[in-house]
Amino acid sequence: DTGVSQDPRHKITKRGQNVTFRCDPISEHNRLYWYRQTLGQGPEFLTYFQNEAQLEKSRLLSDRFSAERPKGSFSTLEIQRTEQGDSAMYLCASSSQNQETQYFGPGTRLLVL
Amino acid sequence: GESVGLHLPTLSVQEGDNSIINCAYSNSASDYFIWYKQESGKGPQFIIDIRSNMDKRQGQRVTVLLNKTVKHLSLQIAATQPGDSAVYFCAEHGSSNTGKLIFGQGTTLQVKP
Repeated sequence: DTGVSQDPRHKITKRGQNVTFRCDPISEHNRLYWYRQTLGQGPEFLTYFQNEAQLEKSRLLSDRFSAERPKGSFSTLEIQRTEQGDSAMYLCASSSQNQETQYFGPGTRLLVL
Repeated sequence: GESVGLHLPTLSVQEGDNSIINCAYSNSASDYFIWYKQESGKGPQFIIDIRSNMDKRQGQRVTVLLNKTVKHLSLQIAATQPGDSAVYFCAEHGSSNTGKLIFGQGTTLQVKP
């Protein structure tokens, strides 16, 4: 499978714990995006990388959230001190520099108890 | 502010009929639009896209129409099949200076056998 992959697919954690999600983009794509989706809503943009540079961050990305893409390939999204309001589907997408079409992974569903 | 919305939360059609899903957008500067299909528990799947310099684009069984005058986008699905049942989102790409897509809330398409 050469699509975007995400790990884990599901995560249940207790409030206050830290969680980290991983995204592997399509191999030739240099752009990587993180979105959050809550039930019944469309995805909301969180942040965007071109290669290893984080070029854009949403106001939704509070100081408890941090994303990295150290080698310009896979990316991680960490949430510190999770809150119940962080429960959502976290989606990763990638695109090539010459095309704006973003291809999404299957998502990581987070439940904070 | 920027927003992309869909007119109807749920659309129910008979198998074999044509479906039309509508979307209104507010940012007249948006230059690129995408339709995604999302099945339960999965990430959004690319269906078709259109640039702002076009008013119609056709794919396999799908057609996207763009009316910039009234800022309206539609997705037409020909001969709707049970496998088309999903939530459909339109997304708007504001400009080349941003990586983010702005999604509407989605329309649920139900196909009756």
